[in-house]
Amino acid sequence: EVQLVESGGGLVQPGGSLRLSCAASGFTLSNFWMTWVRQAPGKGLEWVANIKEDESEKYYVDSVKGRFTISRDNAKNSLYLQMSSLRAEDTAVYFCARDKTYYFESSGYYYDALDIWGQGTVVTVSS
Amino acid sequence: AIQMTQSPSSLSAFVGARVTITCRASQGIRNDLGWYQQKPGKAPKLLIYAASSLQSGVPSRFSGSGSGTDFTLTISSLQPEDFATYYCLQDYGYPRTFGQGTKVEVK
Repeated sequence: EVQLVESGGGLVQPGGSLRLSCAASGFTLSNFWMTWVRQAPGKGLEWVANIKEDESEKYYVDSVKGRFTISRDNAKNSLYLQMSSLRAEDTAVYFCARDKTYYFESSGYYYDALDIWGQGTVVTVSS
Repeated sequence: AIQMTQSPSSLSAFVGARVTITCRASQGIRNDLGWYQQKPGKAPKLLIYAASSLQSGVPSRFSGSGSGTDFTLTISSLQPEDFATYYCLQDYGYPRTFGQGTKVEVK
């Protein structure tokens, strides 16, 4: 079964650090871009970061640049999000997701979509 | 960043109704748009990719259309299990951005 399982969430003080993990099973992680998405309590979804298969490209939303680092270990089939200088506004459920690329032969275009999601891990930043 | 404006933010509808949700991008994004369904306490689920392609396993009552800046998600006949919040996501530029969501409630 294709599955993603996040872990590492918890309660952390403002200014603290936390490392989230996402374990992949049922597919080969090294074949896919991977993404982190978060959802603050009662709010909508926010795209946080993604990473290319070989880690050669990484992208972040402006609000986490310089504070969060996305990484992966393909040998361990795992994705990570290192979070530092945490703020109250980082409080959220954090989801990892597989970024699948679809190729349309008719147009020659590639399209991406988040086709597999984990169940999420809760991060609470509070004193 | 590309802004995605979804409307309406919420709607009430009867089972069997036809429902339409729209998403407008602040600039042209080709067809680089997906639609996701989220139920309370659950992870989002991919419904539509590339604006109009149905994800495998998703019922055919869901359809998507549009290109450039204006996109639509249509549920042709609303079923009890479709009551949820729906989000669009542009994957044309970075950072990726979601619409603010549309909550579909039972009437």
